[in-house]
Amino acid sequence: DAGVIQSPRHEVTEMGQEVTLRCKPISGHNSLFWYRQTMMRGLELLIYFNNNVPIDDSGMPEDRFSAKMPNASFSTLKIQPSEPRDSAVYFCASSLGKGLLGNTIYFGEGSWLTVV
Amino acid sequence: DAKTTQPTSMDCAEGRAANLPCNHSTISGNEYVYWYRQIHSQGPQYIIHGLKNNETNEMASLIITEDRKSSTLILPHATLRDTAVYYCIVRGTGTASKLTFGTGTRLQVTL
Repeated sequence: DAGVIQSPRHEVTEMGQEVTLRCKPISGHNSLFWYRQTMMRGLELLIYFNNNVPIDDSGMPEDRFSAKMPNASFSTLKIQPSEPRDSAVYFCASSLGKGLLGNTIYFGEGSWLTVV
Repeated sequence: DAKTTQPTSMDCAEGRAANLPCNHSTISGNEYVYWYRQIHSQGPQYIIHGLKNNETNEMASLIITEDRKSSTLILPHATLRDTAVYYCIVRGTGTASKLTFGTGTRLQVTL
């Protein structure tokens, strides 16, 4: 089975440019998560969706960051304009919500972003 | 979600059992204990989870104390490929409950 698929795997961009990261969750999963990982701050949850609806975006650092989930099989994380401090690995993850049962979250391999 | 406390780092000889402890003294009754690991430059990988009973799968065993305030992840025969950062996470049961990572334990498996 295909896991969570992220693209691009690596991106180098200049400060001020728009960056769009893409994610395809595991088929059938109804929760999607965006995380960011840096050496200084570790793994941080940015936003998560349930049934395509944003549930909690309190981790989104500022207005330059936006995330969308137009359908159950696709999500984007956009940074506009990008800054060097946005350099990080961005992980997308998905899970199948089952109410009272513990539900496992599966991660993609990440998108490595470098803003110069 | 309850907070967890883990040692910063541990060493283990290859072929021996690696026992990784985790304290979660504020866990509530409907919260699960999850373990993930992250091998350098890869995405976090699910290992195992449990509520109150001990659990075992092909990767590891999870031992949860009776009062549920702590747990231990056991890798029965550690290999060099098990070198990674191991995260113990307590998570609620809501359909969209979050997975909040701490700093984890860096396990170094040596020859």
